This record gives sequence, C-alpha cells and structure tokens, in this order.
Amino acid sequence: DADVTQTPRNRITKTGKRIMLECSQTKGHDRMYWYRQDPGLGLRLIYYSFDVKDINKGEISDGYSVSRQAQAKFSLSLESAIPNQTALYFCATSEQGFFQPQHFGDGTRLSIL
Amino acid sequence: GESVGLHLPTLSVQEGDNSIINCAYSNSASDYFIWYKQESGKGPQFIIDIRSNMDKRQGQRVTVLLNKTVKHLSLQIAATQPGDSAVYFCAEKRVGGNQFYFGTGTSLTVIP
Repeated sequence: DADVTQTPRNRITKTGKRIMLECSQTKGHDRMYWYRQDPGLGLRLIYYSFDVKDINKGEISDGYSVSRQAQAKFSLSLESAIPNQTALYFCATSEQGFFQPQHFGDGTRLSIL
Repeated sequence: GESVGLHLPTLSVQEGDNSIINCAYSNSASDYFIWYKQESGKGPQFIIDIRSNMDKRQGQRVTVLLNKTVKHLSLQIAATQPGDSAVYFCAEKRVGGNQFYFGTGTSLTVIP
C-alpha cells in the first residue's frame, strides 16, 4: 500500500547495533502499529499508538521501543539488536473504531548478523 | 480447490476454478474478522472483512463465510486467476480488545 511507506526496505546490521525503522502514512489515520513476521508464524504485534500521545505495548515489545513523532510518523527502534530479531517488520495504520481494518506498508526486511 | 486452515498450508487450483481457503479461529469472543492477501515482497493487502453478526459477505469475486458455531471462517475466490497467487491469511479481533490475531496463512498457487 503506497499510502504507508516504510524505510529502509532492507537492512543488514550487526549484533549490538542500534537500529531505527521508520514509517510514514498519508492516509490520515490516527492509529498506527508495528508488527513482525517470521516464517511459520502469524504477524505479531510489537507496539501500537492510537494518537500522538498514546503508546501501547503489544505481545512482543521486549527489546523494542517506539516513537510517535506526528500523526503521520511512527518509528520502531531496536536499542541493541540481537540475531533473533531478524525478521520482516511491517507498519500498519487504521481509522478509529473497533471494526476498522488495518492497512500495511510493504515491510522492512531486517537481518542481524 | 479447498484448504483446511493451518493444517494444509498450500493450495493449488486450476485457472478459472473456484478456490476455498479456510481458517479456524480460536476465540469464541472474536467479533471482527479480516482476510488479507500477501504477495511476495509486499505487505498484507486487505481483501474483505466481516462482523460476527453476519454469516456471509460478498465482494468482487470474493465471498467470506463465517460459522460461529464451529469457529470457522472461509474465503471463496470465484474464477481464480494467476494474479490471485499469494498467501492468504485471516485475522480476528476480540470483543473489547485492540489487537488483531493473525493466522499463518495458506499459500495459493494458480496453475495456468
């Protein structure tokens, strides 16, 4: 979905490095999410934010932090990367409300050596 | 062709046939369901959604069926085309919750 842009698309780095993945959206949605996708597993929620002043942990937040710099921007940081954080990371957005689907970016493929 | 959720992660169908992709969800309190399509190198793309107060919903060439009694969701694709080849997965959202829970998906291959 071109309305949700993730940068970089690919990143290879070393254990212990600090990494930031960025997400920006032009959909005007208030809610933003970070997920990781691993082979054989469904998408798992890392963090989510319902507005600029709101940050919530998902099911696998350990080792990650986020920043919601503006309505349109939500970044994910790995403070000290470890190999088991190698995965495909997706940002998503949604409108307010319970019955609203999430719209995803095309992902960042992160490899930690 | 037809798959049975997580136990048959691949499905091959002939072009022009109908496809049925199944998903068994886990929580009877789930109130909202979505089907996504994910092509290689891309993010999940919304296909169709359904609320728990409905049994069926139709879109363009796709139909979602919900059976709450057995906690089963299916996606039917009519006249499957090569462009339909992708991984399809379901997501469920529970009453009072903010989080979606995603299945691992079924890989659909359309044979020309």
